[in-house]
Order: sequence, then structure tokens, then C-alpha cells
Amino acid sequence: DAMVIQNPRYQVTQFGKPVTLSCSQTLNHNVMYWYQQKSSQAPKLLFHYYDKDFNNEADTPDNFQSRRPNTSFCFLDIRSPGLGDAAMYLCATTKGTSGGGNEQFFGPGTRLTVL
Amino acid sequence: AQSVTQPDIHITVSEGASLELRCNYSYGATPYLFWYVQSPGQGLQLLLKYFSGDTLVQGIKGFEAEFKRSQSSFNLRKPSVHWSDAAEYFCAVGAGAGNNRKLIWGLGTSLAVNP
Repeated sequence: DAMVIQNPRYQVTQFGKPVTLSCSQTLNHNVMYWYQQKSSQAPKLLFHYYDKDFNNEADTPDNFQSRRPNTSFCFLDIRSPGLGDAAMYLCATTKGTSGGGNEQFFGPGTRLTVL
Repeated sequence: AQSVTQPDIHITVSEGASLELRCNYSYGATPYLFWYVQSPGQGLQLLLKYFSGDTLVQGIKGFEAEFKRSQSSFNLRKPSVHWSDAAEYFCAVGAGAGNNRKLIWGLGTSLAVNP
């Protein structure tokens, strides 16, 4: 089945130690999103890629970076995680065509713990 | 400005009872509307969506929603709730175009189901 895969599902890192979260998709969608979701809150969009074009949200801290080496893969890099970065990180994809609306397909998420 | 309001932060219903979750949106054009469900520790799953046409849309797991333009609402309903429906429910409106497609999210409604 076509899907969005996130690895790892659970990640523990130390304060200030860089961490990379991975997302892959078999849907061949050209748009990929990264969200941060804290407990009992709505997902907060960090940034997204439309093909290779990177779109950063204005309020996303510089500590968060992303890479998209090809259509299938997208990475979230947190350069110096702080305690406030502990959250669920969700990857989503959509088909960026005019007739497709904005339906997004989500991965299961990576739960990040910062010690 | 585009926005989504879910007036109920938390709802508790008894198993077998009917359910209605409210969603109001603010959007200048004809909206793309979505309901997503999130079980604890999981990603988001699309329940249903409205793009155009019939204003009553059917979704998965026995859910339906009705788009009412005059009330700027897209309320989610289920005639008989099951214990497995306990989850967080998010309403969203699709915004943007081209390479800037996003979802504007409501804050979510947490549903508890009493046996």
C-alpha cells in the first residue's frame, strides 16, 4: 500500500545534541510537510517542500532545518534540541496539482524526547 | 484572515449515543474542508473531505459531515458512537495555491466515550 513512513517512531536525544528525523513516501506526491505537535494541540506547520522549493513558516526557529534529496525522502534536522522541542513530529504529503485540493496524507509520527 | 474554530475542546458521550462535533471556518472563497482523527500517539487519518457538490459527505468509520455555507460550518456527525471512536478530532480548511498549499487547523476536539 502507498504510504508515508517515518523513522524512527521514538527518538530520545540529549539537550543540544543534533538529531535527524526521517520521512519517506511511496505516494509520489510532490509536496511534503513537516509539523510539530505538542500534547493536546493542533499540528503546527514548520515548513514544506513543493518539489525542490523550500517554504519556511515565518515563526519556525532557525534551529529547525530540512532537506529533501529526492521526491521520496525528506528529513527534519534539529541542530540543537532544547527541552521545548520535545514533541511529536509529523510528516505529511499531498499531490500539488490544482484539482487535488489540499488533502494531506500523514505518517505515524516520531515522538521526540529531549533529556 | 483564514481560520477554523472548533468550539468544543472536550466532549464526552455514552457509547451508542449520537455525536456532533462543531466546526466553523472563515475563508474568502469556496473552501476545501477536512475532518481528521488522531488516536493517542498516532498520526492523523482523514475521515472525510468536502470540495464541492453534495453538501452532505460520507466518510470512513460511519462518519458524515454537512457543509453549510450560510453558517460557515462543517459539522461532523455519527449516529451511534463506538468506544473505539475516542480520539482527537481536527477540522481543517485548505488554503493557498501553487507552491504554498497549507491546511489551517482548528484546535481540535477531544472525544471521550463512556461505556
